[in-house]
Amino acid sequence: ETAVFQTPNYHVTQVGNEVSFNCKQTLGHDTMYWYKQDSKKLLKIMFSYNNKQLIVNETVPRRFSPQSSDKAHLNLRIKSVEPEDSAVYLCASSGWGGANTEVFFGKGTRLTVV
Amino acid sequence: QQNVQQSPESLIVPEGARTSLNCTFSDSASQYFWWYRQHSGKAPKALMSIFSNGEKEEGRFTIHLNKASLHFSLHIRDSQPSDSALYLCAVSMSYQGGRALIFGTGTTVSVSP
Repeated sequence: ETAVFQTPNYHVTQVGNEVSFNCKQTLGHDTMYWYKQDSKKLLKIMFSYNNKQLIVNETVPRRFSPQSSDKAHLNLRIKSVEPEDSAVYLCASSGWGGANTEVFFGKGTRLTVV
Repeated sequence: QQNVQQSPESLIVPEGARTSLNCTFSDSASQYFWWYRQHSGKAPKALMSIFSNGEKEEGRFTIHLNKASLHFSLHIRDSQPSDSALYLCAVSMSYQGGRALIFGTGTTVSVSP
């Protein structure tokens, strides 16, 4: 049923390493997002991206960067991970439209930094 | 900056009972209001949404919006064990030139058989 696919499901890494998470949507949507879900289950938007613009939440550290090859893919790279980066990273997509456009989520990638 | 808060943080509901979840927001320019549900280990999925003041019912779920009070709510009647999940309210709004869903802090619902 899920049309937003994320890999890997889990990733454990050491402080200072670089990691990259993949996301693909098969809904034909124009806009993709990355959200971070912390240990308290709070979802915070990190980036939104369509073929015209990248919007960055100003609170996101610079070590995070989205990477897109086409409108169906939006990967997330983290350079030099830190312990506070441990979280679930959720990718999402939505069609072009107004505020009533539903956002579809993937199952997430759980990152543990040791 | 938009601030979205939910209450209660968690609740336990007997099967068959009615339950109510609350969400407050701070930006009166907010345009569209959503409830998402996330089962453990699964993707958040939209339950329903509302745009104008008043109520909207879909099956066992009812959403109520009062923009003047900066408040909307989700009511679940005849709660089922399958309703046990994390419920997230969200507000759709313009965000730094684009659009984004800003989520609340979440309510964990456990329905006891």
